[in-house]
Amino acid sequence: EAGVTQFPSHSVIEKGQTVTLRCDPISGHDNLYWYRRVMGKEIKFLLHFVKESKQDESGMPNNRFLAERTGGTYSTLKVQPAELEDSGVYFCASSHRTENTEAFFGQGTRLTVV
Amino acid sequence: AQTVTQSQPEMSVQEAETVTLSCTYDTSESNYYLFWYKQPPSRQMILVIRQEAYKQQNATENRFSVNFQKAAKSFSLKISDSQLGDTAMYFCAFMKQGGGADGLTFGKGTHLIIQP
Repeated sequence: EAGVTQFPSHSVIEKGQTVTLRCDPISGHDNLYWYRRVMGKEIKFLLHFVKESKQDESGMPNNRFLAERTGGTYSTLKVQPAELEDSGVYFCASSHRTENTEAFFGQGTRLTVV
Repeated sequence: AQTVTQSQPEMSVQEAETVTLSCTYDTSESNYYLFWYKQPPSRQMILVIRQEAYKQQNATENRFSVNFQKAAKSFSLKISDSQLGDTAMYFCAFMKQGGGADGLTFGKGTHLIIQP
């Protein structure tokens, strides 16, 4: 069975440009999470989908970030316009609906804004 | 809000030695879960071990075990007979009981290096 996959693995963009990150969760996983790790700091929660609904988006930094999960399958995270401080590694994780089941992580997308 | 603190940015031990990674946390919750995740170089994070706060018995997974001290809010990870493949970033994480709507709260991580 395929794990959580994220595209692209790396992205280098200029300040002001738009970037869209994609996450394909494990099939059948209702929960999908986005996290971000800025260099040298903690991995921070961004938001949580249950199927196509946003359960919690309290961690989204600002309105330049837009996450979607149309149809409850894959999810996208768009940053528009990107700023220098958006650089970091963006992780996606998925898990079954049941509480306390293991969250499976993707390899992450390393975003560099120059 | 919860916080998780890992006070050791990097540790290095010889192969076959035992190593303990420290983690402390702060929360007002009484029911929660604690995790240790491992991220090998250029690979996904994987779950190493999980502890339910209501369980007094420390979790164990083969060479990995935890020392969970609820009153002290401490959750250290012990790796016995360390192997080269244990080289990775290790993250301690916390999740509230109740579905984890706001996900995991992570520490900054400890970079563990196993020397041959």
